[in-house]
Amino acid sequence: DVKVTQSSRYLVKRTGEKVFLECVQDMDHENMFWYRQDPGLGLRLIYFSYDVKMKEKGDIPEGYSVSREKKERFSLILESASTNQTSMYLCASSLRLGQGRTEAFFGQGTRLTVV
Amino acid sequence: AQRVTQPEKLLSVFKGAPVELKCNYSYSGSPELFWYVQYSRQRLQLLLRHISRESIKGFTADLNKGETSFHLKKPFAQEEDSAMYYCALKLRASGGSYIPTFGRGTSLIVHP
Repeated sequence: DVKVTQSSRYLVKRTGEKVFLECVQDMDHENMFWYRQDPGLGLRLIYFSYDVKMKEKGDIPEGYSVSREKKERFSLILESASTNQTSMYLCASSLRLGQGRTEAFFGQGTRLTVV
Repeated sequence: AQRVTQPEKLLSVFKGAPVELKCNYSYSGSPELFWYVQYSRQRLQLLLRHISRESIKGFTADLNKGETSFHLKKPFAQEEDSAMYYCALKLRASGGSYIPTFGRGTSLIVHP
């Protein structure tokens, strides 16, 4: 059973803080993703990574960066948190295309509040 | 742009009524589509994939390339079907990978 684990379920941070959201998967997946989930806007892709040290911008990368130093871990960094980054953040992982079932497996989400 | 549209933010039905959650897509190649579901306080999870042609929890979805649609249907809704449903399209990306691209979601509420 695939497990994608996000380090925190709830976080409260102050404006201007540097924030780290951590995600770990245990199924040796090549692909990892960070999404933002907001009511009425669905899931919007922030960044994704298809291999260690490889990263690609998604639809809304501004104000965020990512790090993937190990295959199983994908970190999302808010360089200077702002109130408009208050949201639910979802991490996901999947096999690379052509390796069988390629649906995404999701973490439980991190509810971030920036005050 | 290659995207997914779910026109209904909210769908409210009574138990036993038929349900259809609409999804339309825009894609220049051969699409691969999914439905994901998120029950209250649970993580987002796959419900079904169009290439599997399967029925999961009584739900089915047929890909209609002519209408570029992938609507999710169930003949008799149950209260436990109440959840947020997302349609997703698999888009080619860098490194031989793909990106799941999601619609805005439809909240299904099934009343007793």
